[in-house]
This record gives sequence, C-alpha cells and structure tokens, in this order.
Amino acid sequence: EDQVTQSPEALRLQEGESSSLNCSYTVSGLRGLFWYRQDPGKGPEFLFTLYSAGEEKEKERLKATLTKKESFLHITAPKPEDSATYLCAVPRGGTGNQFYFGTGTSLTVIP
Amino acid sequence: ETGVTQSPTHLIKTRGQQVTLRCSSQSGHNTVSWYQQALGQGPQFIFQYYREEENGRGNFPPRFSGLQFPNYSSELNVNALELDDSALYLCASSLEVGELFFGEGSRLTVL
Repeated sequence: EDQVTQSPEALRLQEGESSSLNCSYTVSGLRGLFWYRQDPGKGPEFLFTLYSAGEEKEKERLKATLTKKESFLHITAPKPEDSATYLCAVPRGGTGNQFYFGTGTSLTVIP
Repeated sequence: ETGVTQSPTHLIKTRGQQVTLRCSSQSGHNTVSWYQQALGQGPQFIFQYYREEENGRGNFPPRFSGLQFPNYSSELNVNALELDDSALYLCASSLEVGELFFGEGSRLTVL
C-alpha cells in the first residue's frame, strides 16, 4: 500500500540553527513529491514539487531534495517566521492530483 | 486572481445532524478536491470532482457526498454526523495534474 511517513513529528530549533526534515515514501510509479507549509488554522500552502531522484529545489532558506526512497527539506539558518507544520505528499496511484499526505513535522524556531 | 474560498469557517453540530460545506475554486481551475484533517494529522483525501463528476474517492463512507457546479464551485455534504467527523475540512482546487491550492478550511465540531 502507498505510504508517506514524516520525521521527526516535532522539531524545535534556535534561530540560525540549521536542520533537515525527512519524508519517506513507498509508492509505485512516483508522479512527483510535493512539499507544503501549513500555518495554524490555515490551509496548506504549496512550496515545491520534485519529480526525479537527484532533483533539488530552493526557496529562500528552504531546499528540498529527492532520492528514490525519500525527500529532505533542509532549513538553513531558520527564522521564527519559518515556524509552521511542513507536510509532504505524493499522488495516489494513477492520478496526478489526488494525494497521500504525511502527518507533518511541526517546526518551532525560537528567537 | 481570486483564491479558494470556503464557508462557513467554523460550525458546531450535534451527532446525527447533517452539514453542508461550500467552496469556490480558484479562477481557471476545473478540479476540486476535499480533504479531512483531524487535529495533529495530515490531510486525508475524501474525493475529487472534475467537470461536475466524481473523479476519485478515498476511504470514506457514502454518507460523505459532494457536488460540483458548472462554475466549478463545490459542496461537501456529510449526513448522520459522528463525533469522529470533527475536523478541519479543506477544499483545494487544481488543474488536472500538479499542486493543490487550498482554502482556509471549515472547522467542524460535532458534539
């Protein structure tokens, strides 16, 4: 069965302390791995899509990478405004826009 | 460009009642998906509508039903509410493939 697993569940960082979030997946015929950011009480906001192993995408302090079994979201020198829940998702088999989401990593950046 | 809007933002119902949630999709998007997000969990796919037809369904019972209208707006209906239906209900619009654009969600509490 297709699955998406994220770790850690929660992460507390000091401002400026870099770290990585993990998303591992088991899905046949990957049609992209998607990262979203979700602020409390809000809907998820799209960050990145990665389609093939070795691909990297960057946006400000965030960089997403993809291997054949997992993806990492690297956060470099985070700021308090980076505090949010980060979700990864993969399309359900045979579809391009119906997704399995992981349970997310709740990131708190302390000033 | 108008984003995805959902209504109501919050509502409280009692067990056994019925609820209708509404969603206006982003301009130019012909696909609407609904997700249920319980507290501390990732979004779970309920179903998707494409050109007014159901185009995929997750593991949810038939008491979860929906509609899509010619202007691509959508409704989610839940009958015979149960306590476990308490969650944030997210509507997302998209094209046939690719990332989802989420609304702010409707927070349902079932007492």
